[in-house]
Amino acid sequence: QSALTQPASVSGSPGQSITISCTGTSSDVGGYNFVSWYQQHPGKAPKLMIYDVNNRPSGVSNRFSGSKSGNTASLTISGLQAEDEADYYCNSYTSSNTWVFGGGTKLTVL
Amino acid sequence: QVQLVESGGGVVQPGRSLRLSCAASGFTFSSYGMHWVRQAPGKGLEWVAVISYDGSNKNYADSVKGRFTISRDSSKNTLYLQMNSLRVEDTALYYCAKRGDGSGRSFDNWGQGTLVTVSS
Repeated sequence: QSALTQPASVSGSPGQSITISCTGTSSDVGGYNFVSWYQQHPGKAPKLMIYDVNNRPSGVSNRFSGSKSGNTASLTISGLQAEDEADYYCNSYTSSNTWVFGGGTKLTVL
Repeated sequence: QVQLVESGGGVVQPGRSLRLSCAASGFTFSSYGMHWVRQAPGKGLEWVAVISYDGSNKNYADSVKGRFTISRDSSKNTLYLQMNSLRVEDTALYYCAKRGDGSGRSFDNWGQGTLVTVSS
């Protein structure tokens, strides 16, 4: 159950787009379309932003989108806003009927 | 709306036990699988355990297997995590989370967490 690999940090200016990658293996990310993404502001509980690779829950801005290619999933945030500054975590279901998170990515809005 | 409220955290010595609870409301608790996820201070999220909607299926992270037990009482709309043989590395904020829509392999609602500190 090794953690998925995410960049430790990414940054962008307001209005720009950024992409956060999440790399796993064929036993998790590559084997299933069950990748989800979570946003966590300091001192707050995580919030679901994307589920099943590219689906947005009701109420989540369409500036957030997800995709997957092979063993790597990606979260793209377009039209970056100050409120998007947070930690982002990817998660995948695995072949062991368990779940695994990425190490998290700190997004800084410059 | 969905509400999940964890309780039962505290300071405990290594080797001791603790039971966490998660009171659920705002949805049909007996219809949804539930999870525990933890976050060590200043660290990332770690999935801990899952239980099916009816309690018949459970699974655990390797780091807690054999020491932690997840259970539920649908008559009380409450999820539990029995933690035995606690270790210093189990120190974390413990969240309960509800199974999400679609495939059901995401976590669409989270509580605010309960802090467990394992220290001598």
